[in-house]
Amino acid sequence: AQSVTQLGSHVSVSEGALVLLRCNYSSSVPPYLFWYVQYPNQGLQLLLKYTSAATLVKGINGFEAEFKKSETSFHLTKPSAHMSDAAEYFCAVRVSGNTPLVFGKGTRLSVIA
Amino acid sequence: GAGVSQSPSNKVTEKGKDVELRCDPISGHTALYWYRQSLGQGLEFLIYFQGNSAPDKSGLPSDRFSAERTGGSVSTLTIQRTQQEDSAVYLCASSLGSGFGEKLFFGSGTQLSVL
Repeated sequence: AQSVTQLGSHVSVSEGALVLLRCNYSSSVPPYLFWYVQYPNQGLQLLLKYTSAATLVKGINGFEAEFKKSETSFHLTKPSAHMSDAAEYFCAVRVSGNTPLVFGKGTRLSVIA
Repeated sequence: GAGVSQSPSNKVTEKGKDVELRCDPISGHTALYWYRQSLGQGLEFLIYFQGNSAPDKSGLPSDRFSAERTGGSVSTLTIQRTQQEDSAVYLCASSLGSGFGEKLFFGSGTQLSVL
């Protein structure tokens, strides 16, 4: 069965600093990988997804993630954090259209002024 | 509607009572999912409806939990004999199809509190 592990339930960065949120996956077949974001008092929304095309995927709000098969990772990065990036971020994996999207436990990002 | 609608937004119930949570997916979306979000546990998959296929119930935590989807649209998640550990936010999501890379659209959730 597929799964994702998000390292760090809470990450705190200074405004303008690099954001790095870690996600490692486990899957016996090539997966599709996703990052979703949940802003305070809002529903989850898709940030970006990897679907076996380019390994470097760009998403909304300046975020990007790189699929690294050798490391079974799909870490999320942003060069410069903004206060508005404070949210909870979820990594997710799917291996077929017949299986559900499986989420990690989430990482809460705090941005300090 | 414009988005996934869930009702009620908040539900407080007493231990042992049954509750029903409703989800109205985006019109035309064939796939519907229920997840449970509790502190420190992330999003826990509960059940997945895909078109006319039999639902994937593999995530339901016990036989007290059940869900149905009528007419390929509205879905109801029922929790019987609620327990305090059932307290969580229950999220519904829908997608246009059931393809691999389909984007899920989430509702705002139902906050369930079992006293």
